[in-house]
Amino acid sequence: DIVMTQSPDSLAVSLGERATINCKSSQSVLSSSNNKNYLAWYQQKPGQPPKLLIYWASTRESGVPDRFSGSGSGTDFTLTISSLQAEDVAVFYCHQHYTIPLTFGGGTKVEIK
Amino acid sequence: EVQLVESGGGLVQPGGSLRLSCAASGFTFNDHYMDWVRQAPGKGLEWVGRIRNKANSYTTEYAASVKGRFTISRDDSKNSLHLQMNSLKTEDTAVYYCVAYCSGGSCYGRSYWGQGTLVTVSS
Repeated sequence: DIVMTQSPDSLAVSLGERATINCKSSQSVLSSSNNKNYLAWYQQKPGQPPKLLIYWASTRESGVPDRFSGSGSGTDFTLTISSLQAEDVAVFYCHQHYTIPLTFGGGTKVEIK
Repeated sequence: EVQLVESGGGLVQPGGSLRLSCAASGFTFNDHYMDWVRQAPGKGLEWVGRIRNKANSYTTEYAASVKGRFTISRDDSKNSLHLQMNSLKTEDTAVYYCVAYCSGGSCYGRSYWGQGTLVTVSS
């Protein structure tokens, strides 16, 4: 199984400041057949289902503010919130859908400092 | 508008059975793999299983924790997905989400999630 390790477990950032979340997979999730990283980022607020933010590691989902960006390839990935807003408080998960079983990171809780 | 609406959750005793359903609309159901993902109270996300589309022979995959107890099926004529859960254990208590993964075309790489249905296994 591919293990997804997120860091940190939680972070507190001041409004308007940058938040950075890291995700490391135990095996590459980069497909050699189409050169795509099967890595997605989700945001989950209390009582709500996860919301897709980023797919293919760096493609922003329609309607997602451009302060959210994803980067990385292979086994190391980053989600960056360039200027944290109050409505961004949530738990963020990375997710690989390259191989079965699909797996998720443990989550990173983002709060306001 | 994409909609995935789960139903069928509730309270069941250990060893019991439950059947969850998911009604899909607003997207081409046939183009999507359909998965179940669960989330135990206060915990992270756990993949439960997948059923692929007709083009991929409706093959199924399951997490080790549910294999042999859970069965996923789909009815493309009704845009519906089902999860038959047998021999339920207390550790199966979770919110169960229906998730559609686009398997190709312009939506490839994207996924859609339902609101979830709560399954509680307790005596």
